[in-house]
Amino acid sequence: EPEVTQTPSHQVTQMGQEVILRCVPISNHLYFYWYRQILGQKVEFLVSFYNNEISEKSEIFDDQFSVERPDGSNFTLKIRSTKLEDSAMYFCASSESRDTQYFGPGTRLTVL
Amino acid sequence: KNEVEQSPQNLTAQEGEFITINCSYSVGISALHWLQQHPGGGIVSLFMLSSGKKKHGRLIATINIQEKHSSLHITASHPRDSAVYICAVPLSGNQFYFGTGTSLTVIP
Repeated sequence: EPEVTQTPSHQVTQMGQEVILRCVPISNHLYFYWYRQILGQKVEFLVSFYNNEISEKSEIFDDQFSVERPDGSNFTLKIRSTKLEDSAMYFCASSESRDTQYFGPGTRLTVL
Repeated sequence: KNEVEQSPQNLTAQEGEFITINCSYSVGISALHWLQQHPGGGIVSLFMLSSGKKKHGRLIATINIQEKHSSLHITASHPRDSAVYICAVPLSGNQFYFGTGTSLTVIP
């Protein structure tokens, strides 16, 4: 069964460093999403992406964040200058249309 | 202000019990999603529903659009059902609001 994959599973970085979180959505899916979940808190929407552009983004998704679909298979989330409060689990998801989303296993980001 | 409220926050049940988890929302929606988050953190989409009722195995989800309320039921609960159950509501388009989740523990 096709699945969404994410790499790395765990990323440790120093405050101020740039990180790129990678996702490979399911191949025939057209809609892509990033979410984050700070430890012990609820899942929060970051951004949705369709037709090679951002379709919606939340207040959390400020100028330090960017997304890209560089090669037709990968979907990346870049955090330009990480802060301590960026430490969280980041989930990628994809969907064929605006319906059931399939989630990746997540990347745990730890900012020191 | 929480756009999506779930109850209860925590639930412990004996194996075999019938379980109900509730979700109330204040935003207008086109569809509501129920998700399951495993102890390891992985998230699985269980249901997307915009009206009525859906059933998948021992799971049943209902929604009342007028009352802005949805319920997730688990029949004949099993320890492997232990997880956090989350409802999510699209505010607009694909921007979702998530509930805080209901942590379910099923004891053998």
